[in-house]
Amino acid sequence: GAGVSQTPSNKVTEKGKYVELRCDPISGHTALYWYRQSLGQGPEFLIYFQGTGAADDSGLPNDRFFAVRPEGSVSTLKIQRTERGDSAVYLCASSRVPQETQYFGPGTRLLVL
Amino acid sequence: KQEVTQIPAALSVPEGENLVLNCSFTDSAIYNLQWFRQDPGKGLTSLLLIQSSQREQTSGRLNASLDKSSGRSTLYIAASQPGDSATYLCAEGFSGGYNKLIFGAGTRLAVHP
Repeated sequence: GAGVSQTPSNKVTEKGKYVELRCDPISGHTALYWYRQSLGQGPEFLIYFQGTGAADDSGLPNDRFFAVRPEGSVSTLKIQRTERGDSAVYLCASSRVPQETQYFGPGTRLLVL
Repeated sequence: KQEVTQIPAALSVPEGENLVLNCSFTDSAIYNLQWFRQDPGKGLTSLLLIQSSQREQTSGRLNASLDKSSGRSTLYIAASQPGDSATYLCAEGFSGGYNKLIFGAGTRLAVHP
């Protein structure tokens, strides 16, 4: 079956611009996670959704970052006033229920110039 | 602060060798320990998941162990092959109704013919 998909695969933007990153989880998966991976590092947790609600957003670095999941399926990570330090690979993962194995998407590589 | 450390950071071995990757974590309130594989430019693939009540898991040529008392996990790869070349990440999962993962920085493995 289809895995987790993320679009775009690559995004280049200028400092100060607004970007949206999309995640399509595996159909029927109720739990959705966003992580950020900088070069040479492991992924860092950003936010967790159970259904439509953000149950844990403790990993969002600041208020420029926001994520939604309005219908409990697709999620969008939104970054306002992008900074060069936001450049990273943004990974999305989903699981059927919260405590099961997470399945990761290929990521969106964001480059802020 | 929860931390996960992986040693070595990089490893290069000839084909056919058995090898061990190490992971240490600081928080004993672990829910599970998971090993992932990451190929360049790709997302993460789950290899093995060990629940906190378990000591080890095996899948084919892979065996992962968990020692909560010492805060360590090892991934053993038998008879390594060039196709095993990738970055291997371990992640500590925490309870609380969902599976928030804290990742190490990974071990970059190169298996040469």
